Amino acid sequence: AQSVAQPEDQVNVAEGNPLTVKCTYSVSGNPYLFWYVQYPNRGLQFLLKYITGDNLVKGSYGFEAEFNKSQTSFHLKKPSALVSDSALYFCAVRDTRSYNTDKLIFGTGTRLQVFP
Amino acid sequence: EPEVTQTPSHQVTQMGQEVILRCVPISNHLYFYWYRQILGQKVEFLVSFYNNEISEKSEIFDDQFSVERPDGSNFTLKIRSTKLEDSAMYFCASSWGLAGPVTSYNEQFFGPGTRLTVL
Repeated sequence: AQSVAQPEDQVNVAEGNPLTVKCTYSVSGNPYLFWYVQYPNRGLQFLLKYITGDNLVKGSYGFEAEFNKSQTSFHLKKPSALVSDSALYFCAVRDTRSYNTDKLIFGTGTRLQVFP
Repeated sequence: EPEVTQTPSHQVTQMGQEVILRCVPISNHLYFYWYRQILGQKVEFLVSFYNNEISEKSEIFDDQFSVERPDGSNFTLKIRSTKLEDSAMYFCASSWGLAGPVTSYNEQFFGPGTRLTVL
């Protein structure tokens, strides 16, 4: 079955420290991977995606993610966390069985708490 | 910056009643989606819509659900007879195209959601 796993419900990090939010996936074929962030009372906001090319992709607000095919992972990273990064982060993969649509399969989300 | 909007932000209804959730996608987008998130659970795909017809629907999207794009701007989700288990946050999303290596503008843009509470 196609799926996304976010093994950590919550990640705590001090402001200024690097952060990593983990994501692994299981799909057949080549994955299209996405990270979204959800702030309180807001919709899901796109951060970055991996479709093809360089394994390290850069996105909004200084975030980046590294695609690792052998480990089927797509971890989200930021070199220096800000308190304003505190939010709920979702990893998603496009269902490769879908035709003519981009059905996204989401992970359960990871709450990032950045402490001053 | 263009954004997807949804109304209402919160809808409370009695079990068995019909509800219509409204979305205004980004104006030049061609692909439309509904997802839902039951409290504490993951975001789940419900349905996708393109060229005035459903492209794909999930097992959740049974005969009680329908979607429509009545006037070229709105995209609606109707639940004919709501159940308690329909209580969730419903997200609308739209995209210009499908994800692929050719263009970088095909990610889905999500609205802020409608929280549906069925009593």
